[in-house]
Amino acid sequence: QQQVKQSPQSLIVQKGGISIINCAYENTAFDYFPWYQQFPGKGPALLIAIRPDVSEKKEGRFTISFNKSAKQFSLHIMDSQPGDSATYFCAASLSYNQGGKLIFGQGTELSVKP
Amino acid sequence: NAGVTQTPKFQVLKTGQSMTLQCAQDMNHEYMSWYRQDPGMGLRLIHYSVGAGITDQGEVPNGYNVSRSTTEDFPLRLLSAAPSQTSVYFCASSYSPHPRDIQYFGAGTRLSVL
Repeated sequence: QQQVKQSPQSLIVQKGGISIINCAYENTAFDYFPWYQQFPGKGPALLIAIRPDVSEKKEGRFTISFNKSAKQFSLHIMDSQPGDSATYFCAASLSYNQGGKLIFGQGTELSVKP
Repeated sequence: NAGVTQTPKFQVLKTGQSMTLQCAQDMNHEYMSWYRQDPGMGLRLIHYSVGAGITDQGEVPNGYNVSRSTTEDFPLRLLSAAPSQTSVYFCASSYSPHPRDIQYFGAGTRLSVL
């Protein structure tokens, strides 16, 4: 299965709260898991990425948690700010040698209320 | 730095019309790709190119043609537009086809087919 399932579809969080977006996959051969952030009227931009040999990666207020056995990974946004309001996409890919192309999740529209 | 430039930003077509979506990058990237973004479906790969003169099909190639005569340009052609092709189209480029290379996206072309 090449699908990546993302939830929730939309999320409303108060300023200062924690935003959590979840993704699940079936193909255990996936070996790269990036998150993209997209502001209205703009193209997606890489936010943070993780490999399956790492359980957590943190960059500023953004953290990816990875659970290999459950085939799930999630994005946590700490101290969420109105400027974080955007659509977030998780993705997964096979290795380059396996013809790796990014498979994107369905997207989560995050709104952070002041 | 212009990055990835897409034109036009908006387009309305009638069923059966043809058009070309333009994409140009100034980063000397070898890998370029086209995605379509539809609500609830994330981004899906249409066609991609690993270098001038080399193109291949992605997940949803039907109804679209591409060519890559130069490193900089990667136009997407709709031969006979259908309402099912109403979508937002994104062009992306990266240094190489390796999935871990950062893909840089253009701002998108919003296409409506009536």
